[in-house]
Amino acid sequence: DQQVKQNSPSLSVQEGRISILNCDYTNSMFDYFLWYKKYPAEGPTFLISISSIKDKNEDGRFTVFLNKSAKHLSLHIVPSQPGDSAVYFCAASAYGQNFVFGPGTRLSVLP
Amino acid sequence: NAGVTQTPKFQVLKTGQSMTLQCAQDMNHEYMSWYRQDPGMGLRLIHYSVGAGITDQGEVPNGYNVSRSTTEDFPLRLLSAAPSQTSVYFCASSPGHNTGELFFGEGSRLTVL
Repeated sequence: DQQVKQNSPSLSVQEGRISILNCDYTNSMFDYFLWYKKYPAEGPTFLISISSIKDKNEDGRFTVFLNKSAKHLSLHIVPSQPGDSAVYFCAASAYGQNFVFGPGTRLSVLP
Repeated sequence: NAGVTQTPKFQVLKTGQSMTLQCAQDMNHEYMSWYRQDPGMGLRLIHYSVGAGITDQGEVPNGYNVSRSTTEDFPLRLLSAAPSQTSVYFCASSPGHNTGELFFGEGSRLTVL
């Protein structure tokens, strides 16, 4: 059973609008969460992280929200740009443990 | 600045053949790991190492061996390739065990016929 779920395999958004990518987890011991972005034929690259002591972390156009009671986090991209088109992976870890990755969401930003 | 370097980028094997995927990092990271990426499955951890001379199994270790004789290198060995090992393999490193983000290599696409 997957501990980290990304229930939307794909998402299409118009350029300039907001993209919202969702991630749910089942392990209540997870205390650190990351988002990675992956272009075709490249390795994943780190985008943004959040620790369980926070409920929001912002970095430029990217904001991650964490709702611990719902075991849910989301990545907001505002405004979306065509260069944001990629696969986005959510990852989580419990202290001292390895990261567990979700299956990914493919974002397409349409010009 | 090379970061994490994986070789080869592409490889085709026949069932039963063995091979080694190479991974090297130049950031003096203690933690290194190998993942495989399969459609709909995300990235699954095969093996990892928290320092030279120390290795441990991840989620899907069967059919793979690793060693860590130096801080820089972390090769992944397929002992007897099977079609189920057709995948894209990523090596990753970080300064410590879950003390920050992972830095990934560009990946190695392996096809087993």
